[in-house]
Amino acid sequence: NAGVTQTPKFQVLKTGQSMTLQCAQDMNHEYMSWYRQDPGMGLRLIHYSVGAGITDQGEVPNGYNVSRSTTEDFPLRLLSAAPSQTSVYFCASRGARAGYGYTFGSGTRLTIV
Amino acid sequence: SQQGEEDPQALSIQEGENATMNCSYKTSINNLQWYRQNSGRGLVHLILIRSNEREKHSGRLRVTLDTSKKSSSLLITASRAADTASYFCATDARTSGTYKYIFGTGTRLKVLA
Repeated sequence: NAGVTQTPKFQVLKTGQSMTLQCAQDMNHEYMSWYRQDPGMGLRLIHYSVGAGITDQGEVPNGYNVSRSTTEDFPLRLLSAAPSQTSVYFCASRGARAGYGYTFGSGTRLTIV
Repeated sequence: SQQGEEDPQALSIQEGENATMNCSYKTSINNLQWYRQNSGRGLVHLILIRSNEREKHSGRLRVTLDTSKKSSSLLITASRAADTASYFCATDARTSGTYKYIFGTGTRLKVLA
C-alpha cells in the first residue's frame, strides 16, 4: 500500500546512545518532514526537506540530524539521546504542488531512560 | 513559539450536536489545513483552505478563514461518536524562502453517544 512507512514503531534507548529513525515514502513526494509530539504541546517541526539533497531546520532541531539522499528516504538521527527526547515521532510527506496536505506515518514511540 | 493555537483545548458534546473549534495563527499564510488524529495514530488530512478563500465544505465539515483576523474555524455538523479525536490546524509559515508546515496544539473532541 502506498504511504509513509516509519520504523521502528517502538524503541527504548539509554541516555547517550545514538540511533536512526527510518522514514520511507513511495508516493514520489518532494516534501518530507519530521515532527515530535509531546503531551499538551501539539506537533513541533524538527527538520524538513523540499527535495533530495535539501534539508532545513524546523522549530526544535537541536540534538537531531537529517539527510535526504533519495526522494524516498528521510532518516532522522539522534546524536546522543537525552531523556528530553522521549516523545512520539512522526514523519510526513507531500507533493510540491500547492493545495495538498501531508500524509503521515504511524509514528515511532521513543523512550530514553 | 507555535504558529497555530486551537481553541478550545478540549470539547465534549452529545452525538448529533455540532462541534466548532477555532485556530489562530501569527504570520501570513498561503493556506491553512485541518487534520484529525485518533488516539495513538498518525494525523489524517481533512481539508485545506487557501488564503484567498473564505469558506470551504467537505461532507460534514465546514471551514472558514478570516485572514484579517488570522483565524480559522472548523465546524463538524451532526457529530458522531467516531468523530472523537484530536483536531489540529496547520499553516505554511514562510521562512528563508521556503514554506514549512507548523501545527497548533490541538483540540480534543469527545462525542458522547
